[in-house]
Amino acid sequence: QSVLTQPPSVSGAPGQRITISCTWSLSNIGPIYDIHWYQHLPGTAPKLLIYGNKWRPSGVPDRFSGSKSDTSASLAISGLQAEDEAEYYCQSYDSSVSRWVFGGGTKLTVL
Amino acid sequence: EVQVVESGGGLVQPGGSLRLSCAASDLTLSTYSMTWVRQAPGKGLEWISYISSSGGTINYADSVKGRFTISRDNAKNSLYLQMNSLRDEDTAVYHCARVRGTYGDVWGQGTTVTVSS
Repeated sequence: QSVLTQPPSVSGAPGQRITISCTWSLSNIGPIYDIHWYQHLPGTAPKLLIYGNKWRPSGVPDRFSGSKSDTSASLAISGLQAEDEAEYYCQSYDSSVSRWVFGGGTKLTVL
Repeated sequence: EVQVVESGGGLVQPGGSLRLSCAASDLTLSTYSMTWVRQAPGKGLEWISYISSSGGTINYADSVKGRFTISRDNAKNSLYLQMNSLRDEDTAVYHCARVRGTYGDVWGQGTTVTVSS
């Protein structure tokens, strides 16, 4: 069971906008740091999509955006494309035990 | 192009050992902290271990503590993961990544470790 909770799956049609949530309980994790998001296809290198809650690395389209509040974060993908079909993970750092934590992953299906 | 490449995976019996390596291209590893993350079949990403640029700070996930050892050889521009007392549940693709703050920005494709008799 992941410390960060994500929906197992989301779907959307090409051109639509979807969001993927990442939630946590302050009773399960110490003071949470920034949330980061990765795109991953099994067998390939995970790709950093969003770091520091909302910042995009160079080369990541502005269709991808991130936000964070006290107990949740979201990844939004607008203008869905077939190539966006992948697994998406949120990740943070639990300073109370000096470990990285990942969400369970959300499989995005483009209909 | 900056990239990292893992190697050393393979088939090993339960209780056995394996040493994974992570080499860098166009990247001086000694400048950065590094981490190992794995993905078991049908499962999500799981953080395994972290090492600071100097090697002075090392952390492990509870699932591997006492069995796995992370190390680095900055002279060889390489990162390692020594895995001992391997279990079936260690079967996974192992990725190394360059650490920036609390996230990884350069990841490798991974090397596959299969623990089976």
